[in-house]
Amino acid sequence: KAGVTQTPRYLIKTRGQQVTLSCSPISGHRSVSWYQQTPGQGLQFLFEYFSETQRNKGNFPGRFSGRQFSNSRSEMNVSTLELGDSALYLCASSLAGVDGNTIYFGEGSWLTVV
Amino acid sequence: QKEVEQDPGPLSVPEGAIVSLNCTYSNSAFQYFMWYRQYSRKGPELLMYTYSSGNKEDGRFTAQVDKSSKYISLFIRDSQPSDSATYLCAMRTAGGYQKVTFGTGTKLQVIP
Repeated sequence: KAGVTQTPRYLIKTRGQQVTLSCSPISGHRSVSWYQQTPGQGLQFLFEYFSETQRNKGNFPGRFSGRQFSNSRSEMNVSTLELGDSALYLCASSLAGVDGNTIYFGEGSWLTVV
Repeated sequence: QKEVEQDPGPLSVPEGAIVSLNCTYSNSAFQYFMWYRQYSRKGPELLMYTYSSGNKEDGRFTAQVDKSSKYISLFIRDSQPSDSATYLCAMRTAGGYQKVTFGTGTKLQVIP
């Protein structure tokens, strides 16, 4: 069974640009979330989607947005990139909308902003 | 003050040692407690998952949750060089679904 798949794995962007990251959850999983991981702040929750609706949101500025498609795939977008957005962006998925389900992470997308 | 505190280490132990990793937290609403292992440049991998207080054992790993003290632990018996990684404690509230709060991680090195 394939795990959570994230693309691209590595990318370099310039300040002021925008970026879109993609996530394919484990087959059958309908809940997807995104996290940012940096050396200073660790893993921080960005947002979660279930059945194409945002269910939870973390404390990030509006430049960070996401969406989920009917096939449960998800994308996140960061506009007007800043140097501080350089991080590992992780996508996670779980089986359904039931609380308590195990959360599985992908390998992440490494974003460098120069 | 962070909601979840975890000693960043690094922690260096000889092969075969018992490793103890700990986290404290301040939010009494946390009900689900997890430990993840993360190898360099990889995503976190779930090791242990417990609900509320108590102990859970899986092979060489034992997770303990003491909600009265707001303290969770992960014990690794007979540690192996392959256990060298960063260990992240994580927790969430009931109804929190995938909104998980993580510790900053403890870097463990097991020396052969």
